[in-house]
Amino acid sequence: QKEVEQDPGPLSVPEGAIVSLNCTYSNSAFQYFMWYRQYSRKGPELLMYTYSSGNKEDGRFTAQVDKSSKYISLFIRDSQPSDSATYLCAMRRNSGNTPLVFGKGTRLSVIA
Amino acid sequence: DAGVTQSPTHLIKTRGQQVTLRCSPKSGHDTVSWYQQALGQGPQFIFQYYEEEERQRGNFPDRFSGHQFPNYSSELNVNALLLGDSALYLCASSFTGTASTDTQYFGPGTRLTVL
Repeated sequence: QKEVEQDPGPLSVPEGAIVSLNCTYSNSAFQYFMWYRQYSRKGPELLMYTYSSGNKEDGRFTAQVDKSSKYISLFIRDSQPSDSATYLCAMRRNSGNTPLVFGKGTRLSVIA
Repeated sequence: DAGVTQSPTHLIKTRGQQVTLRCSPKSGHDTVSWYQQALGQGPQFIFQYYEEEERQRGNFPDRFSGHQFPNYSSELNVNALLLGDSALYLCASSFTGTASTDTQYFGPGTRLTVL
């Protein structure tokens, strides 16, 4: 079993839809959770950064962490064609620059 | 403020050759991590450099080595290239300080093709 599981998709939605992206993980030591957006042939761009359980909102993006279920989510409201990209979840055990462990990424297409 | 930069953008090598990839961290950052991203996969941690020393290492063979310079820039070297080394190599920079400051920011990557 991989430490971080993420459905690779692809996921295709109409413009304006609410998108839900999810990851599950097996290591209860993970405490810091991130979502990165990666456009084709580019490096990952940090979208959201969350510590422990709870919700965090930034504009159209909301990140949720449920440590009891080992489950994290990213919601995108009013999705736009420019949101079309691969979304990677990442997590790490503690602070001090420990390595990130990534999911495989979910490829999202928002159709105008 | 320049972000993380990497060079070259793309290169093609043949099996058995050696390659060197370069990374300049974001201004104010002192730590560089290298990741390998195979097609359709998430990035995999190779190693991390801080204070010019390898501080942590992932599950990669000794063919992968690196270096960090006094100006915090870094190199990744891969010897005896294999076809399976074809991937996007990503550099991530961060600041080793409090937890709120050690977020990793990625460069655009170097795409390596081994023929």
